Amino acid sequence: EAQVTQNPRYLITVTGKKLTVTCSQNMNHEYMSWYRQDPGLGLRQIYYSMNVEVTDKGDVPEGYKVSRKEKRNFPLILESPSPNQTSLYFCASSLLGGPPETQYFGPGTRLLVL
Amino acid sequence: AQTVTQSQPEMSVQEAETVTLSCTYDTSESDYYLFWYKQPPSRQMILVIRQEAYKQQNATENRFSVNFQKAAKSFSLKISDSQLGDAAMYFCAYRNRDDKIIFGKGTRLHILP
Repeated sequence: EAQVTQNPRYLITVTGKKLTVTCSQNMNHEYMSWYRQDPGLGLRQIYYSMNVEVTDKGDVPEGYKVSRKEKRNFPLILESPSPNQTSLYFCASSLLGGPPETQYFGPGTRLLVL
Repeated sequence: AQTVTQSQPEMSVQEAETVTLSCTYDTSESDYYLFWYKQPPSRQMILVIRQEAYKQQNATENRFSVNFQKAAKSFSLKISDSQLGDAAMYFCAYRNRDDKIIFGKGTRLHILP
């Protein structure tokens, strides 16, 4: 089954404690992206990647890092989380080139930073 | 910079009736794609319909159709014969040729039985 998986699904942490949210897709997609969703703000893109070792900043990259060492994985790293990073996070993937393929979204990760 | 605006934070419609959700966008590009996504209470994002800007014909998927007005930069979603399962948050999204994607803030749709 084609899917995007995220782990963990729920996470409570404290300010300053480094964390990583994993994202993996099994569709051989080149494009992967991270979003955060906050009430009244919709989804905002954090980082995206068009292929292995290629990453670019989205609209709200501050406080986040990503890496793309393998095509299937695109982890989101919060080196020193702060309460304003409490949010619902989505990972998504799609093919590149030509008519855009559907973006497949992961199930979301709800993060609470105390 | 591109922007996507959904001017209706919430809407309600009677079951079996038709409802239209509005979306406007701003861009200087001529080649792009537009999408409507549905987010039910499960929080999963589900693609409802997509439209390529170079196509004049409005996209249709079963009970869902769009009214794409390129000159006016408008991309509204019409849901016909509304069903209880249509209750969700709906997001309009814009994607350009560089694969940058911008979402609107969403419209929460309530279906009244």
